[in-house]
Amino acid sequence: LAKTTQPISMDSYEGQEVNITCSHNNIATNDYITWYQQFPSQGPRFIIQGYKTKVTNEVASLFIPADRKSSTLSLPRVSLSDTAVYYCLVAGANNLFFGTGTRLTVIP
Amino acid sequence: DVKVTQSSRYLVKRTGEKVFLECVQDMDHENMFWYRQDPGLGLRLIYFSYDVKMKEKGDIPEGYSVSREKKERFSLILESASTNQTSMYLCLTGGIWYEQYFGPGTRLTVT
Repeated sequence: LAKTTQPISMDSYEGQEVNITCSHNNIATNDYITWYQQFPSQGPRFIIQGYKTKVTNEVASLFIPADRKSSTLSLPRVSLSDTAVYYCLVAGANNLFFGTGTRLTVIP
Repeated sequence: DVKVTQSSRYLVKRTGEKVFLECVQDMDHENMFWYRQDPGLGLRLIYFSYDVKMKEKGDIPEGYSVSREKKERFSLILESASTNQTSMYLCLTGGIWYEQYFGPGTRLTVT
């Protein structure tokens, strides 16, 4: 069963690139990796999803090494509005595990 | 647009009451999940279902039960609410492996 591990918190200044890494050593062959963003009093919101290598969309990039035992969410040039909790999720046909989330604080 | 709705955004119940939380999705998703979210503990899986009338225990099923009589509807039941069940409850739906969507959440307070 794929459990995930993330740093509890991170701080960053506005305009910097932020990388949040999630470990998932027991990921299964068919599992996907998804990242969510959550603001207070709201449900998590989908950011990006990948299986291997690199995925990029208008919001973020996701880097997944060949062994897929970890993944890194990259947020380019963060702003104050990016302050939130970021969750890594490993999802397959028979499991769906969230990390405990990383609280990102963007500092002016 | 995918729509995942939960029956209430805020709910206050008394200890010992039976509580029903309902999640409804309109995307014909097979998988539906119930999580609770508490400060410092992240998202913890309570129960999930892969099909009508199917249910599986998650990490913390004690004190909860579920019902899935129709594909679009997944109910979480607190048979006898207790104060330690005060939490944010989130429903998640998804197709196989991807297309996961959260509901808006229900903040339950048990007094």
